[in-house]
Amino acid sequence: NAGVTQTPKFQVLKTGQSMTLQCAQDMNHNSMYWYRQDPGMGLRLIYYSASEGTTDKGEVPNGYNVSRLNKREFSLRLESAAPSQTSVYFCASSEEETEETQYFGPGTRLLVL
Amino acid sequence: GESVGLHLPTLSVQEGDNSIINCAYSNSASDYFIWYKQESGKGPQFIIDIRSNMDKRQGQRVTVLLNKTVKHLSLQIAATQPGDSAVYFCAEFAGSARQLTFGSGTQLTVLP
Repeated sequence: NAGVTQTPKFQVLKTGQSMTLQCAQDMNHNSMYWYRQDPGMGLRLIYYSASEGTTDKGEVPNGYNVSRLNKREFSLRLESAAPSQTSVYFCASSEEETEETQYFGPGTRLLVL
Repeated sequence: GESVGLHLPTLSVQEGDNSIINCAYSNSASDYFIWYKQESGKGPQFIIDIRSNMDKRQGQRVTVLLNKTVKHLSLQIAATQPGDSAVYFCAEFAGSARQLTFGSGTQLTVLP
């Protein structure tokens, strides 16, 4: 049982490039989330998905798109990366009935030059 | 807007002592308050939560206290161990918004 996995672990992009961060969970959770964490700060919600086929904006959605490919996978796409998107990105999942208890992946460190 | 914040950014304790990490919150409508632990280079890990209608909850070596009168949350760690060294985040969850809101974190360092 791997829990929540994320790829890649680390990525360097140039301004304007695009990329997709991948996330998968094997806990059969309905709800999945994408957060960003900037130095010395807590996590901020970018997007979440309460179930397959649904997505909703969080606190900081601008510059990102998401796809809930199936129950297991939830991807985050940066269409045109900006230096302000340099951050650590975490994916999480939870059971529908206990969304306050979220299980996090190891994170993707993104540097935009 | 609503926010969750922490009183102190860093806390150092001697191994074996008890640790107390504090947090202030402002959203009275939150349904749950949660503590997460984040070790260096890893994702946050759920420690314990407390429902808004409770004032105390105990887990293994950890206790969370909720004081709704002053909107204060604390995490007590008994007999702190080196493995407890990490950043601790408080977070609040409002079921209506279905979102966790995190505070900025406290770095706990356990001294030998």
